[in-house]
Amino acid sequence: EPEVTQTPSHQVTQMGQEVILRCVPISNHLYFYWYRQILGQKVEFLVSFYNNEISEKSEIFDDQFSVERPDGSNFTLKIRSTKLEDSAMYFCASSVRPNSNQPQHFGDGTRLSIL
Amino acid sequence: LAKTTQPISMDSYEGQEVNITCSHNNIATNDYITWYQQFPSQGPRFIIQGYKTKVTNEVASLFIPADRKSSTLSLPRVSLSDTAVYYCLVGVQAGNMLTFGGGTRLMVKP
Repeated sequence: EPEVTQTPSHQVTQMGQEVILRCVPISNHLYFYWYRQILGQKVEFLVSFYNNEISEKSEIFDDQFSVERPDGSNFTLKIRSTKLEDSAMYFCASSVRPNSNQPQHFGDGTRLSIL
Repeated sequence: LAKTTQPISMDSYEGQEVNITCSHNNIATNDYITWYQQFPSQGPRFIIQGYKTKVTNEVASLFIPADRKSSTLSLPRVSLSDTAVYYCLVGVQAGNMLTFGGGTRLMVKP
């Protein structure tokens, strides 16, 4: 069964440094997402991306964050200057189309630890 | 977006059937009901989705009454590996955003 893959599985970064999290969505999916989950808390939406542009973003997704689809397969999340509170699991997801009846398929995440 | 209410936690024993009910009184006409499972340090995994009546796949069944104001996820004969958090989600927000609640923490005991 096709799956969403994320790299790295764990990233440790000094505060203030830039970090790029990478995702390969399922190949025939057109809609891409990033979510995060701080330890012990709920899964939170960050951003959705369709047709090479952001469809929606949450309040969490401030100017420090950006997303890109640099080629036909990868989807990246960049945090420009990391803060301690950015420490979390970051999940990439994809879906075939942007509808309620099209489930999103999640990767296993990148654990980001900011020191 | 329809607000969902589900038990915070449930305990069960291996081999039993587990039913987790989710209330969503203000579900909209176009909303589908989707259940996800999450193990520690892993991403949510899609289990099952439905609109009305009953849906069954190799993992679970989903029962939705005619008024669609609730739904029940049924896991037949659970094993220890079914210990996880189960999320009920109804509809999507702008940008196809999913809104996760706290889910139901299922503990399966030997």
